[in-house]
Amino acid sequence: ILNVEQSPQSLHVQEGDSTNFTCSFPSSNFYALHWYRWETAKSPEALFVMTLNGDEKKKGRISATLNTKEGYSYLYIKGSQPEDSATYLCASLVRRKLIFGQGTELSVKP
Amino acid sequence: GAGVSQTPSNKVTEKGKYVELRCDPISGHTALYWYRQSLGQGPEFLIYFQGTGAADDSGLPNDRFFAVRPEGSVSTLKIQRTERGDSAVYLCASSWTSGGMDTQYFGPGTRLTVL
Repeated sequence: ILNVEQSPQSLHVQEGDSTNFTCSFPSSNFYALHWYRWETAKSPEALFVMTLNGDEKKKGRISATLNTKEGYSYLYIKGSQPEDSATYLCASLVRRKLIFGQGTELSVKP
Repeated sequence: GAGVSQTPSNKVTEKGKYVELRCDPISGHTALYWYRQSLGQGPEFLIYFQGTGAADDSGLPNDRFFAVRPEGSVSTLKIQRTERGDSAVYLCASSWTSGGMDTQYFGPGTRLTVL
């Protein structure tokens, strides 16, 4: 059974704080890791697709790193803004389907 | 361009009834996926299509669930004899190919409530 775990489950920060959260996944037979952002009442929005060990990707104030040997990925948000409030999901690709973690719910207070 | 759309956005039904959930993928995307998200959990894979055929239906929980994509575009997820445990947000996603390396673009979901 493949388990993708995310921590923390929820996070409350002040506007301007930088934050990071973790996604861990089985490192054997790794193919790709996807990150999504999901705001309430909207569609999940794709952030990154990561495939190579040591990969670093950046989109505005959000960046992510990947360690496939030890089976983890970090997502960083620099200078959090209230509009960053959302659930952040990671998913590992297994036999052409995505296995999701339970998500990290981020709340940014003005 | 238009994204993935799903209808209805909300569906309330009674236990034992039949429901259909519709997904319109992005034009030209050959792969289409269905997921289900229960409260407090991440999305859970149900089935995916490559073109018209179901390439992997291993996530369908039982034979009350069925999905079709007859013309390789729109897909319908069908649930017979609904149970309270079927209440969840049903998400649809599409991508250019089914390799899994492509970004999957999600619709807003259908929230199903079974009373």
